Amino acid sequence: DGGITQSPKYLFRKEGQNVTLSCEQNLNHDAMYWYRQDPGQGLRLIYYSQIVNDFQKGDIAEGYSVSREKKESFPLTVTSAQKNPTAFYLCASSIGHSLPLQPQHFGDGTRLSIL
Amino acid sequence: EDKVVQSPLSLVVHEGDTVTLNCSYEVTNFRSLLWYKQEKKAPTFLFMLTSSGIEKKSGRLSSILDKKELFSILNITATQTGDSAVYLCAGRRGGSNYKLTFGKGTLLTVNP
Repeated sequence: DGGITQSPKYLFRKEGQNVTLSCEQNLNHDAMYWYRQDPGQGLRLIYYSQIVNDFQKGDIAEGYSVSREKKESFPLTVTSAQKNPTAFYLCASSIGHSLPLQPQHFGDGTRLSIL
Repeated sequence: EDKVVQSPLSLVVHEGDTVTLNCSYEVTNFRSLLWYKQEKKAPTFLFMLTSSGIEKKSGRLSSILDKKELFSILNITATQTGDSAVYLCAGRRGGSNYKLTFGKGTLLTVNP
């Protein structure tokens, strides 16, 4: 079945440590996105990528980095510069620039906590 | 800065009730408005609205957009306990920027 796979489901980070969250999709979507969700808050955009080897900062990119070396993969690294990383992280994808009016579809998320 | 505001933030109803969830938006170069349902994990897509006054319907759920007054509503009739979830509304800009701006969501609890 086609879909978006995020791993791991739960992740614990020590102070000063970088961690990488995985997002893989087999939907052949061009565009991929990373969001952060805090309790009682909506989703906030961290980074997005419309095509391989290209990505743009969203509203809260500080302390995060991404890469898009393959169409199906868009990993997110939470660096030690992100001082409040505890949150639920959601990856999404959508058919991209050729058909812009398409909804984004989401993975099941990764819950990151600080030890 | 784009802004999406949902109301109410939470709502408790009994099975069989009808509910209306509200979403107002201020989005530069507005292109479409999306509704998602989020239970425990991934938000699942419900509706995408691009034109004013045209109701979209799926079973007991329906939604409509008013581009003049900049709002949308999501109606759920004959609610069931399985409708309990957070309902998220998001506005999307047009152009090459595919950014979605989400509201904080409405937490709906349907009691038996």
